[in-house]
Amino acid sequence: QKEVEQNSGPLSVPEGAIASLNCTYSDRGSQSFFWYRQYSGKSPELIMFIYSNGDKEDGRFTAQLNKASQYVSLLIRDSQPSDSATYLCAVNRPGGSYIPTFGRGTSLIVHP
Amino acid sequence: DVKVTQSSRYLVKRTGEKVFLECVQDMDHENMFWYRQDPGLGLRLIYFSYDVKMKEKGDIPEGYSVSREKKERFSLILESASTNQTSMYLCASSPFEDGRRNIQYFGAGTRLSVL
Repeated sequence: QKEVEQNSGPLSVPEGAIASLNCTYSDRGSQSFFWYRQYSGKSPELIMFIYSNGDKEDGRFTAQLNKASQYVSLLIRDSQPSDSATYLCAVNRPGGSYIPTFGRGTSLIVHP
Repeated sequence: DVKVTQSSRYLVKRTGEKVFLECVQDMDHENMFWYRQDPGLGLRLIYFSYDVKMKEKGDIPEGYSVSREKKERFSLILESASTNQTSMYLCASSPFEDGRRNIQYFGAGTRLSVL
């Protein structure tokens, strides 16, 4: 069984700070990595995907991938109370699969 | 915008009932998925389908079946509902692309209670 591990949190950061969310995965053959945000009572929605080693930036969000160490992270700069949500890491199964395995999510709380 | 519509937001059923959860997507996506989401356990894949009439078991298929008679519609069936199937059920669809960019689009979810 493929494993995707996240710290459940909650991670609490003050408004304006950088929030750092981490995810590790067990299968070296995985090629695609996704971050979804899920507000309480809502369904997940995509924030970013990444599949090359290094950083990928989109506005206040930066995804970082290190395949050698098998981790992927999400940085949220200038955190806002509206960023308070659960963040799900998803990793596609190896061999070019389109089937994701989701982590259990990290709860982020941004306090004013 | 991609729209994935689940027929019910809330359902209450009795133990032993046959339950149908319906999902429709309007973006001509090839792939469709059913997950359940439970506190502390995250999203777990029940079944998926990559084409009409094609289906594959996910990680927790026991007690469930699915039907995909049309490309836009994917149904989850609980043949005989049990209390341990009380959960939030999420349907998702994704296009058939290079797997590296296979983004999942989720419906709003159906919260099922089995009494």
